[in-house]
Amino acid sequence: AQSVSQHNHHVILSEAASLELGCNYSYGGTVNLFWYVQYPGQHLQLLLKYFSGDPLVKGIKGFEAEFIKSKFSFNLRKPSVQWSDTAEYFCAVNAYGNNRLAFGKGNQVVVIP
Amino acid sequence: DGGITQSPKYLFRKEGQNVTLSCEQNLNHDAMYWYRQDPGQGLRLIYYSQIVNDFQKGDIAEGYSVSREKKESFPLTVTSAQKNPTAFYLCASSIPRDREVTDTQYFGPGTRLTVL
Repeated sequence: AQSVSQHNHHVILSEAASLELGCNYSYGGTVNLFWYVQYPGQHLQLLLKYFSGDPLVKGIKGFEAEFIKSKFSFNLRKPSVQWSDTAEYFCAVNAYGNNRLAFGKGNQVVVIP
Repeated sequence: DGGITQSPKYLFRKEGQNVTLSCEQNLNHDAMYWYRQDPGQGLRLIYYSQIVNDFQKGDIAEGYSVSREKKESFPLTVTSAQKNPTAFYLCASSIPRDREVTDTQYFGPGTRLTVL
């Protein structure tokens, strides 16, 4: 079964700092990759996704993620965070062959103004 | 206004009672999913359905049951057999890219169930 690892569950940083959240998965075949975000009191929503093509994917609100197949990774980055980026971030993986997602445990990010 | 609705937002039940959580979508999506979210655990898949009248167990199906009689509805019943039912329950839907690959899942606002 596929599994997804997210490290550093709690991240606290100041506004304008750079953010990088790691995501590693344990499936050797073709995968589709997602980052979801859950702002306080809001629905879980898609931040960005990778299916094929350019491994550097740009999403909403200035976020980007890079798929590195050799490292089984799909790390999320933002060069300069804002207070409004305070949220919980989830990495999810869809292994080709089943149409379900496996989620990581999430990163709780708090941005201090 | 398209989307996924879950009701109620908060639900309280006594131990030993079955309870059914509602999930409705008007996105015309074929696939629907139920997840459980616990602090520090991420989202864990309970059940999913790719098409009407068909559903599969997820990773933590024990103590839960579902039905999919209509495309737009996928209710989840938390039975008395579920040992630790207090949690936040999320429903999602998607258009499967095909039988083997899922596309973006869209989530409802969730129902927070507390069993007393």
